[in-house]
Parts: sequence; C-alpha cells; structure tokens
Amino acid sequence: AQKITQTQPGMFVQEKEAVTLDCTYDTSDPSYGLFWYKQPSSGEMIFLIYQGSYDQQNATEGRYSLNFQKARKSANLVISASQLGDSAMYFCAMREGFGGGSNYKLTFGKGTLLTVNP
Amino acid sequence: DARVTQTPRHKVTEMGQEVTMRCQPILGHNTVFWYRQTMMQGLELLAYFRNRAPLDDSGMPKDRFSAEMPDATLATLKIQPSEPRDSAVYFCASGLGQEYSNQPQHFGDGTRLSIL
Repeated sequence: AQKITQTQPGMFVQEKEAVTLDCTYDTSDPSYGLFWYKQPSSGEMIFLIYQGSYDQQNATEGRYSLNFQKARKSANLVISASQLGDSAMYFCAMREGFGGGSNYKLTFGKGTLLTVNP
Repeated sequence: DARVTQTPRHKVTEMGQEVTMRCQPILGHNTVFWYRQTMMQGLELLAYFRNRAPLDDSGMPKDRFSAEMPDATLATLKIQPSEPRDSAVYFCASGLGQEYSNQPQHFGDGTRLSIL
C-alpha cells in the first residue's frame, strides 16, 4: 500500500483564487510529520510547510496552510490568492517515528502539477 | 541563505562509464540523503547517513551504486558501471537529527544524469 497518496495528477486554478491540493497518508505510527515541497520547472525542491501529528493547530505559512484531518489521515495543502509563480509540481511527504524512533526517512507522494492561469 | 551544493548540475556520459556525484551538506546538518527522481518512479530514497555513518541504503542497487561520506562536508554517490536506466535527476538533501524531527530536509538543485 502506498504511504502517501496524491490523487490529483494535475490541477488548474485562476490567478488570485485559492486551491486545495490533496494528500492522504497511511501509517500506524502515532508519531509522524507531514511536509509539503514545491518543485518548479527549474527543478529545485523547496520546502513549504510542516504539520506534526501532535500539533493541535493547522499549520500556516504565509499563503500556505494545511488542512490537517487526523482521523481521515489527510493533510491537504491550501494555497490562497494563487500567483503565476505558484505553477509547479507539489509533493506531500511523511516522516514516521521521530522523537526517538529510528526512521528519519521521508516518503514522497507522486506529486500534483499545479497550473495557475492568468 | 545556507544551501546544499551538488556537483555537477548536469552529466552526460556513455554506458559503462563511472559517474561520481558530489554533495556538500549545509554546515551543521548531521543527516544526508540521496534521492533519485524519475517520471515513472517519482522520488525514491537511495541512501542516508547520520553523523557520516550509513543508516540505510536499501533503496540503492548494490551491485553498481555506492554512497560514502569521506568527511562531514562531502557526500558522494558513485555509479559504476553506469547504464541507460540510471538516467534520472539525483538529489542530495541534508537535515538535522531526530531531535529536530519537525525540521525539513533541505535539497540541493540536483544532478541531471543522462547515460547514453
């Protein structure tokens, strides 16, 4: 079974509108962290936002926020007021068993290609 | 801003040749990761190190790939002999230890490898 599932291969949004990119995850570990990265066409991987499994509040970072629904095992990325520069591939990733656990690896989803239209 | 530095950025070589990719992690980061990105498989973890010791290289084809950290400022990934199926973008990332588990891994710009 895939640990990270991103069901939207591609998404389109109009400039200045908000968009939600879906991510569901699968883990039996109570301690985990979820990360979102952006990969523009130039190829670099840019960290956007983090949500820990014990965090009480949804994470926010500027125009990025996480809609974290723990019971549903989903951590959707919300981008508000989309800009043309937001056009990129977006990856959801999970780290399991931190804080004393042995696994420090990130497992990535397949990504969602977001296109922002003017 | 501190960055992970990877060299070379691009590499084109013929099948059978040795390929060496280098990575300079961010100063103070004690974990280093090697990932491979292809269209078919996405991002795959090849190997990672903590305090220069290899912790997991289960994602790496052992017969032709090797990863080392000769010192804290240099990680290398070698392919010998290279094959066309090794064509991919190889990323190095670095991060802090488990006690900073909410901190992200920081990625280099990648090495785009083409094996002819």
